[in-house]
Amino acid sequence: GAGVSQSPSNKVTEKGKDVELRCDPISGHTALYWYRQSLGQGLEFLIYFQGNSAPDKSGLPSDRFSAERTGGSVSTLTIQRTQQEDSAVYLCASRAGPNTGELFFGEGSRLTVL
Amino acid sequence: SQQGEEDPQALSIQEGENATMNCSYKTSINNLQWYRQNSGRGLVHLILIRSNEREKHSGRLRVTLDTSKKSSSLLITASRAADTASYFCATDAYFGNEKLTFGTGTRLTIIP
Repeated sequence: GAGVSQSPSNKVTEKGKDVELRCDPISGHTALYWYRQSLGQGLEFLIYFQGNSAPDKSGLPSDRFSAERTGGSVSTLTIQRTQQEDSAVYLCASRAGPNTGELFFGEGSRLTVL
Repeated sequence: SQQGEEDPQALSIQEGENATMNCSYKTSINNLQWYRQNSGRGLVHLILIRSNEREKHSGRLRVTLDTSKKSSSLLITASRAADTASYFCATDAYFGNEKLTFGTGTRLTIIP
């Protein structure tokens, strides 16, 4: 596609429910990143996928968070048993390859846990 | 933990003035990038400077990099109201660690 697409743009859920956030990167981009941004804060790295290599999961805050990338394209970030502190904007970004410079960001998925 | 730290955290200037933001980082880098984020939107890439470069220009943007001090600055000249946004630096470490790490951001407000 023309840009990085994320869905849903907004998600309101109740504490304890599971949520799935989707990212469709730019076609041909092998590197895909997930970040979390709390209100007025910087970006917190969550996970990084590069081609068929094992993902770098070092930023996932707990075992309630997981992500997969199917066929080297679309990625899904899953948060199980959501907590109020999970409320944030989840940003996805892609780039052509490792250390290739510019990241292209989606508009984010705003998650609110009640 | 954040690799980059920007300062100031917030900056308000009159339209037409120059705005300078600084970024410090902790480990060796391959390159450093600056991004802009309008409220409620995703980030947009502004400029990239490699570790062997000291200064780079793009339109009204000027970026400097001092690897000995592990710091960078972003200068926006002749600011406009439309420059109001948050600005983030991001560091790309050497191959083997492609976890592009962002700083905490500077919130820039241009007063018309």
